[in-house]
Amino acid sequence: EVQLVESGGGLVQPGGSLRLSCAASGFTFSSYWMHWVRQAPGKGLVWVSRISTDGSSTSFADSVKGRFTISRDNAKNTLYLQMNSLRAEDTAVYYCARVLVSSGYFDYWGQGTLVTVSS
Amino acid sequence: DIQMTQSPSSLSASVGDRVTITCRASQSIITYLNWYQQKPGQAPKLLIYAASGLQSGVPSRFSGSGSGTDFTLTISSLQPEDFATYYCQQSYSTLWTFGQGTKVEIK
Repeated sequence: EVQLVESGGGLVQPGGSLRLSCAASGFTFSSYWMHWVRQAPGKGLVWVSRISTDGSSTSFADSVKGRFTISRDNAKNTLYLQMNSLRAEDTAVYYCARVLVSSGYFDYWGQGTLVTVSS
Repeated sequence: DIQMTQSPSSLSASVGDRVTITCRASQSIITYLNWYQQKPGQAPKLLIYAASGLQSGVPSRFSGSGSGTDFTLTISSLQPEDFATYYCQQSYSTLWTFGQGTKVEIK
């Protein structure tokens, strides 16, 4: 069974940092591009970042570029999102999701982890 | 960035109704368009990929169509479990984007 389990969310002050993790199981992790998508409370889905199968290629939404980094450890089947210089507008549930190479769609999602940026 | 605009933002419908949701892209995305369903407190679920492909396990009352800039998600006969929010998403450009969502509510 495919599973994606996010962790690392919590309350952080503006300007602070947080690292999210996404533990994958039930599939060949290294064969999939991985993405982060977020959803502010009561709002819609917003794509955040993606990383290629081997980690050599990454992309970021303009709203997080320069503040967030994405990485993966294929030996540990784990995806990461390092979030620095956090702002109130980064408050959201963060989902990890997988994409089969060249498919262009998210076929499995985690259940999300809530990040709250507040003083 | 490619902007995705859904209409309507919300709708009220009855069980058995035919429901159509539209998604328009700010430029041609060929058929790099997917549809997701999200229920409160849950992660999104893939319904339609590549504009018209039905994801495995999704009921056949869901269908998608369109190409270029205009796309449609149709639910042929609305069921109680279909009341949810629906999102379109493009994967044509490097930076992927979602529509703002369409909430389908019970009339």
